[in-house]
Amino acid sequence: AQSVAQPEDQVNVAEGNPLTVKCTYSVSGNPYLFWYVQYPNRGLQFLLKYITGDNLVKGSYGFEAEFNKSQTSFHLKKPSALVSDSALYFCAVRDLGAGNNRKLIWGLGTSLAVNP
Amino acid sequence: DAGVIQSPRHEVTEMGQEVTLRCKPISGHDYLFWYRQTMMRGLELLIYFNNNVPIDDSGMPEDRFSAKMPNASFSTLKIQPSEPRDSAVYFCASSILGLAGSSYEQYFGPGTRLTVT
Repeated sequence: AQSVAQPEDQVNVAEGNPLTVKCTYSVSGNPYLFWYVQYPNRGLQFLLKYITGDNLVKGSYGFEAEFNKSQTSFHLKKPSALVSDSALYFCAVRDLGAGNNRKLIWGLGTSLAVNP
Repeated sequence: DAGVIQSPRHEVTEMGQEVTLRCKPISGHDYLFWYRQTMMRGLELLIYFNNNVPIDDSGMPEDRFSAKMPNASFSTLKIQPSEPRDSAVYFCASSILGLAGSSYEQYFGPGTRLTVT
């Protein structure tokens, strides 16, 4: 079965320090992987995606993510965290189920708190 | 572009009442998704449409829930009768068929916070 796991419910980091939000996946074919961010009382916003090519992908707001096929991971990273990065982060993978569907399989989210 | 528009932003209703949530997708987008978000269950896909046609409604909890998309610029999610356990934030999202992974980039509305008392 296809799945996405975000092993940490919450991540705390000090402002200015590097941050990592973890994601692992399980799919039967080539994964399309995504990160979204949700700020309080807002809808989800697309951050970045991996489809093919370079394993390191860069996205909005200085975020990047590294695709690691051997470890089936797609961790979200940022070199220097900002207080304004505090939000809920979702990892997702395309559903390779039957048909030409456009569904995403979502992780449960990781709450990132950046402390001043 | 105004993005995905949802109304109302907040809805408080009594158990047993009918609730209708509305969504206007981004112009030109041909996929529309309805999600429900709760603390307990996270983000759940309820139903999605392609070119106004429902493709997968396997996430619709029960017959009390129904969704329609009469045209490319409007969709509704209706709950009748509503129950307290339906309290959640309901999101609408849209996407457009494109190359490779771009089809899977979903653009979310601000959500409707539903409280059923």
